[in-house]
Amino acid sequence: RKEVEQDPGPFNVPEGATVAFNCTYSNSASQSFFWYRQDCRKEPKLLMSVYSSGNEDGRFTAQLNRASQYISLLIRDSKLSDSATYLCVVKVDTGFQKLVFGTGTRLLVSP
Amino acid sequence: DAGVIQSPRHEVTEMGQEVTLRCKPISGHNSLFWYRQTMMRGLELLIYFNNNVPIDDSGMPEDRFSAKMPNASFSTLKIQPSEPRDSAVYFCASSPRPGSGNTIYFGEGSWLTVV
Repeated sequence: RKEVEQDPGPFNVPEGATVAFNCTYSNSASQSFFWYRQDCRKEPKLLMSVYSSGNEDGRFTAQLNRASQYISLLIRDSKLSDSATYLCVVKVDTGFQKLVFGTGTRLLVSP
Repeated sequence: DAGVIQSPRHEVTEMGQEVTLRCKPISGHNSLFWYRQTMMRGLELLIYFNNNVPIDDSGMPEDRFSAKMPNASFSTLKIQPSEPRDSAVYFCASSPRPGSGNTIYFGEGSWLTVV
């Protein structure tokens, strides 16, 4: 079983739609959680951290359920520029703090 | 400010040839990571350096892969001999804190094709 699992998609949505991505992780000792965004043929970049109480950043809302080992990302009012791959990332302590990346969920927003 | 700088950006090489990928981390960052990304396996950590010392190389696939960090501003990832299954994007990343901290900064990647 992969440490971090995501639905690869693609999710095809029209502009203005609301879309949600889910992610599960296997290591119950995971410490911190993040969503990274990766544009086509580009490097991954931090989108937002995920806090236990849930957090928002504009149109983006991230939630964490530690009991179910589940993370989600909600995007409201999708824009064409949101088209990208969204990587679920978990930080674990293996003697040093290590980021474990999911394989990503691809989002395509169409006009 | 300059980000993580990698070279070459693209390389096509024949099976059996030696490949050397280079990385300059962000100035002042103590941690450096080499990742490999493929469609099937996603982003995999190959090796992590802290203060130029390799801390964890458990992700290095096999003896054909080696990495060095001779100083705080330079690292190399070498594949010798290269094989077609090594074709991937290799990312270098750096972080200002030991380990990953809360975020790491990736370079633009080196796109390797072994034919």
